[in-house]
Amino acid sequence: EAGVTQSPRYAVLQEGQAVSFWCDPISGHDTLYWYQQPRDQGPQLLVYFRDEAVIDNSQLPSDRFSAVRPKGTNSTLKIQSAKQGDTATYLCASSRDWGTYEQYFGPGTRLTVL
Amino acid sequence: GDSVTQTEGLVTLTEGLPVMLNCTYQTAYSTFLFWYVQHLNEAPKLLLKSSTDNKRTEHQGFHATLHKSSSSFHLQKSSAQLSDSALYYCAPNTDKVVFGTGTRLQVSP
Repeated sequence: EAGVTQSPRYAVLQEGQAVSFWCDPISGHDTLYWYQQPRDQGPQLLVYFRDEAVIDNSQLPSDRFSAVRPKGTNSTLKIQSAKQGDTATYLCASSRDWGTYEQYFGPGTRLTVL
Repeated sequence: GDSVTQTEGLVTLTEGLPVMLNCTYQTAYSTFLFWYVQHLNEAPKLLLKSSTDNKRTEHQGFHATLHKSSSSFHLQKSSAQLSDSALYYCAPNTDKVVFGTGTRLQVSP
């Protein structure tokens, strides 16, 4: 089966610009996660969905970040007005809602904000 | 809630020596534990998933045994290779996983 796909793979922005990341999870995986991974740190959960519903977005900076999964399949994470502190790799992962919650990660989008 | 404690920071080894990365857990709900591995400039990927109590699971030369009596799921390998250098995360099977900083394994010649 195809893995989790993400695009773009890289993005370079000036502070204040907006950017969107796209994720296509593994077919049949109900749960989708977005993580932020700064350099030399572990993945930090931003938000996760079960189908189209947001289950937890408590770590998502709501003033500038937003995430949607309108049909319960693909998802988009958007940063409005990026800051240098947003420089990180953004990882998308998916898992089956039932079962063991094994997470399968996409290759990530490496964001640099200048 | 469910949580794990794993070897912190950096573990350095010479190639050929055995690997052991510790993971202990406190879990109220989860029934499995995982080890994920993240190589440099790659995404994390599942390395091992626990099985039943006291049963060893193996993958790619690594193995771990879930011991409920000691709440442990330590990752082991008999002989480290240079390619094992990576970040390793122990995690419970909950829908909201906190990865922490992981354990960095550095294998040198």
